[in-house]
Amino acid sequence: LAKTTQPISMDSYEGQEVNITCSHNNIATNDYITWYQQFPSQGPRFIIQGYKTKVTNEVASLFIPADRKSSTLSLPRVSLSDTAVYYCLVGDWSGGYNKLIFGAGTRLAVHP
Amino acid sequence: GAVVSQHPSRVICKSGTSVKIECRSLDFQATTMFWYRQFPKQSLMLMATSNEGSKATYEQGVEKDKFLINHASLTLSTLTVTSAHPEDSSFYICSAKTVATNEKLFFGSGTQLSVL
Repeated sequence: LAKTTQPISMDSYEGQEVNITCSHNNIATNDYITWYQQFPSQGPRFIIQGYKTKVTNEVASLFIPADRKSSTLSLPRVSLSDTAVYYCLVGDWSGGYNKLIFGAGTRLAVHP
Repeated sequence: GAVVSQHPSRVICKSGTSVKIECRSLDFQATTMFWYRQFPKQSLMLMATSNEGSKATYEQGVEKDKFLINHASLTLSTLTVTSAHPEDSSFYICSAKTVATNEKLFFGSGTQLSVL
């Protein structure tokens, strides 16, 4: 059972900033929050990972509030090539070991 | 980032045959590997988790005798789809992680299996 909730789809235009929010109300103390990008017929690609506050890398920023019950992936200036499905994952220790369950993801469509 | 190599990228087989998919971590040792399957327009579904040198742990509803997983070394895991049927046609993706990377998974490029 996935522990995350994201919007099913989003639309944006080239050059705009896109923010995708993920809810993870039952996040555990040791869980990290990780975001992946997937193009059709490819394996997911790591985007960014964080534990709390803000993390920034060359492609995105990740904002995590103090309660860690949600997180927001921010893509600064999207292009057509950012059209993909974005997944938010948190660690799942329910099985006694660390397994990661994918939620439905957010299908982002970037328009010219 | 770390590289996970998955082969073959695409395979077409006849119903009743077995297909083996390999997943290798090229520049790191993978203590744990995961196997997912994905149907069109759907999310990834975790099939099983394998730790090097031990038996795989299968998710509920996944037949362990049909989907044989072997994780014989820290860099190689294989998934064998035995007696494949058309309903097994899917996109199979492996991923690997090490303790040092927390929940950061590195994914293979996936294998599109088509069973005729």
